[in-house]
Amino acid sequence: NAGVTQTPKFRILKIGQSMTLQCAQDMNHNYMYWYRQDPGMGLKLIYYSVGAGITDKGEVPNGYNVSRSTTEYFPLRLELAAPSQTSVYFCASSYGSSGGNTIYFGEGSWLTVV
Amino acid sequence: DAKTTQPPSMDCAEGRAANLPCNHSTISGNEYVYWYRQIHSQGPQYIIHGLKNNETNEMASLIITEDRKSSTLILPHATLRDTAVYYCIVRVVRTNAGKSTFGDGTTLTVKP
Repeated sequence: NAGVTQTPKFRILKIGQSMTLQCAQDMNHNYMYWYRQDPGMGLKLIYYSVGAGITDKGEVPNGYNVSRSTTEYFPLRLELAAPSQTSVYFCASSYGSSGGNTIYFGEGSWLTVV
Repeated sequence: DAKTTQPPSMDCAEGRAANLPCNHSTISGNEYVYWYRQIHSQGPQYIIHGLKNNETNEMASLIITEDRKSSTLILPHATLRDTAVYYCIVRVVRTNAGKSTFGDGTTLTVKP
């Protein structure tokens, strides 16, 4: 029963490098989300997707890109990494957008930019 | 989008009930109230949700005021393992939109 799986769990990047955080869900959920959480702070929505081929910006999208070519996968791309992107990243999914649909979270990816 | 307001921190004695308040005064009629918690920077964990009526499950109870402008999450017999950050969110429902925004939550510390 995998749920939402994120890789890698830990990564150190140098300033200016690029990388992709991978996210996969096996629950056939339509909606997927990427959040970031800075130390001692709450979750901030970066991007979300309502289905394959459809993505939209959240609260803090600058410096990130996403794609959703299939229902299962929702990778997050960091271009030209900056120290301000040091954070914990959570991928999540839900079946639908209505209030009756629970959001399920992955275990997080810890990213440090030095 | 409806926003929520929670106290930044609360303490509770072990074995006592923990009552966590949340204000969502701009909530719309078709928006649910959800509660999640996050332990030690793990992925947030679903606790409970409701629309109008009070709800109870094996983890907690949710009390929603009649005007729906506020709610209270109740952990009936708090244990040390309930120490966590608790998030109250309102699920936004719009055509072709499904984003859900989180605030900073309430850090609950259960003390022996």
